[in-house]
Amino acid sequence: DQQVKQNSPSLSVQEGRISILNCDYTNSMFDYFLWYKKYPAEGPTFLISISSIKDKNEDGRFTVFLNKSAKHLSLHIVPSQPGDSAVYFCAASPTSGGGADGLTFGKGTHLIIQP
Amino acid sequence: SQTIHQWPATLVQPVGSPLSLECTVEGTSNPNLYWYRQAAGRGLQLLFYSVGIGQISSEVPQNLSASRPQDRQFILSSKKLLLSDSGFYLCAWSAIRGEKLFFGSGTQLSVL
Repeated sequence: DQQVKQNSPSLSVQEGRISILNCDYTNSMFDYFLWYKKYPAEGPTFLISISSIKDKNEDGRFTVFLNKSAKHLSLHIVPSQPGDSAVYFCAASPTSGGGADGLTFGKGTHLIIQP
Repeated sequence: SQTIHQWPATLVQPVGSPLSLECTVEGTSNPNLYWYRQAAGRGLQLLFYSVGIGQISSEVPQNLSASRPQDRQFILSSKKLLLSDSGFYLCAWSAIRGEKLFFGSGTQLSVL
């Protein structure tokens, strides 16, 4: 049973436009959400996170939106740059300790920025 | 600052051979340590986590095992590798349980 779902395996966006990556979760115990970026043959690097007490968090070109009622979050990248081409993983955690100690990850979305 | 080291970067092993992957963390004490695997076309799957020396929790039954002989050392092992053990193995640490993870550079394991 997949608790964190990224339904788009890949996404192609033109340079300079907005990239929107989506993520859905099923576990209502999740209250902390993160996005990671991963290049081939490298470990994932942390991008941005959001706690369930917020519905938006912004860091430079990256904004994460959380819709708790829909159990949905999204990552917006504006403007998209060639270096943003990577696999993006959505992750979630029940920080109050309702499950595994590690983060639960989605399968990832491969973002391709076209010149 | 904290750093995490993971080696080797790539490994090609025959079926039935043993495995030992090592991970060390510097610049912090009593970290929470994790082993994840990314198999082809799949997400990041949590294999093991440890909250202290000698304390290992397994998330997925398999022919792999983990050990934590020292505070900042985490080892992933197998006595006999299977073809299905191929994948990209990642070690990670966190300061607080359930929060942000910091990953190593990964080991690409190919079992042939």
